[in-house]
Amino acid sequence: SQQGEEDPQALSIQEGENATMNCSYKTSINNLQWYRQNSGRGLVHLILIRSNEREKHSGRLRVTLDTSKKSSSLLITASRAADTASYFCATDILTGGGNKLTFGTGTQLKVEL
Amino acid sequence: GAGVSQSPSNKVTEKGKDVELRCDPISGHTALYWYRQSLGQGLEFLIYFQGNSAPDKSGLPSDRFSAERTGGSVSTLTIQRTQQEDSAVYLCASSLTTGNQPQHFGDGTRLSIL
Repeated sequence: SQQGEEDPQALSIQEGENATMNCSYKTSINNLQWYRQNSGRGLVHLILIRSNEREKHSGRLRVTLDTSKKSSSLLITASRAADTASYFCATDILTGGGNKLTFGTGTQLKVEL
Repeated sequence: GAGVSQSPSNKVTEKGKDVELRCDPISGHTALYWYRQSLGQGLEFLIYFQGNSAPDKSGLPSDRFSAERTGGSVSTLTIQRTQQEDSAVYLCASSLTTGNQPQHFGDGTRLSIL
């Protein structure tokens, strides 16, 4: 089963609206990261939040982390058509070495004009 | 500077053939990762290199898969006797070190096995 599972699987909104994506995971983590992937491209890192952090901001992005519930959310405010992409959460679990990431299956976001 | 570079961008081959995929990481990045992404799916970890340490091969799906990293820089992922289920996008990433570092991805190699 997936370490990280995103919800919803797909989201369609109008430009200017906010988009919220959620991620749940199963085991203790070192950090949780969010990535964006445009069609046919590689992943682009958005935000990294450490296990001892609860909230982080970057421009129009806001990420929260609740380690007691093993969940995270990504909020994109004032969405734009260019935000259309797939968004993945990835967990860096406490394995004792390295930071190989375990990815969820992603949320496909479509922002319509 | 340049990002992570992967080649070829697309590869079509017949079942049973061997393929080699190349990854050129960002200069100075000591950690290098290979992932596989099947259509509409998340990424599946394959293998990870960190400096001169022994690679973490725990994600390789079978002994047909192998990878090496020469001189701590360029990496090659080799798939022998390819099967149709090997069809996927193979993504490479690098990071400065390990631990609380973002990974920087290439655009991947789209592998199609006929």
